Amino acid sequence: DAGITQSPRHKVTETGTPVTLRCHQTENHRYMYWYRQDPGHGLRLIHYSYGVKDTDKGEVSDGYSVSRSKTEDFLLTLESATSSQTSVYFCAIRKEASGSYNEQFFGPGTRLTVL
Amino acid sequence: RKEVEQDPGPFNVPEGATVAFNCTYSNSASQSFFWYRQDCRKEPKLLMSVYSSGNEDGRFTAQLNRASQYISLLIRDSKLSDSATYLCVVINMVGGGADGLTFGKGTHLIIQP
Repeated sequence: DAGITQSPRHKVTETGTPVTLRCHQTENHRYMYWYRQDPGHGLRLIHYSYGVKDTDKGEVSDGYSVSRSKTEDFLLTLESATSSQTSVYFCAIRKEASGSYNEQFFGPGTRLTVL
Repeated sequence: RKEVEQDPGPFNVPEGATVAFNCTYSNSASQSFFWYRQDCRKEPKLLMSVYSSGNEDGRFTAQLNRASQYISLLIRDSKLSDSATYLCVVINMVGGGADGLTFGKGTHLIIQP
């Protein structure tokens, strides 16, 4: 258990509405990530953060923004949700430790449906 | 060529059997390798990191072959609880923290009683 929670766990929203997903961690990890998982695609990186206010884009960042104003929280925002953003969203943290292989650990996921 | 490729299966295997999966990766500069397990509608969970020399954890053995660019996972004495999707994962360290995992699409394993 890496102390990661995500909220909400499930959300149904309508096309064009803004949506914010929250990832919260309790272990003070520097690196945090947002992925989406879709059938036939596996997990794909949306955005990641390497510290407070330090973020960068991943493979599928279009239509998404992120913010990290404190170490423990990493927010993912869909400015204007579209049906193509219906997916399961996973947050992850990277454990940095001596001898670590940069393993990442995932939160429980948020299931988002955009109608 | 896709970055990380896996046979999607499903692999239907009787309980107690040994099963092996391979995964190939395209980037020869890949530096870290992992196997994750994902149960239906759950998050991926780290099963094993794959070390250059190979490693074993109970019934599970992981091997890395850099020359042929593949990693493997062997499960011995399979249990019903091993039924899951197994994800092959690679990290390409670009620098600056751009080290998001690259996932294969997973191999679905079904252990049958």
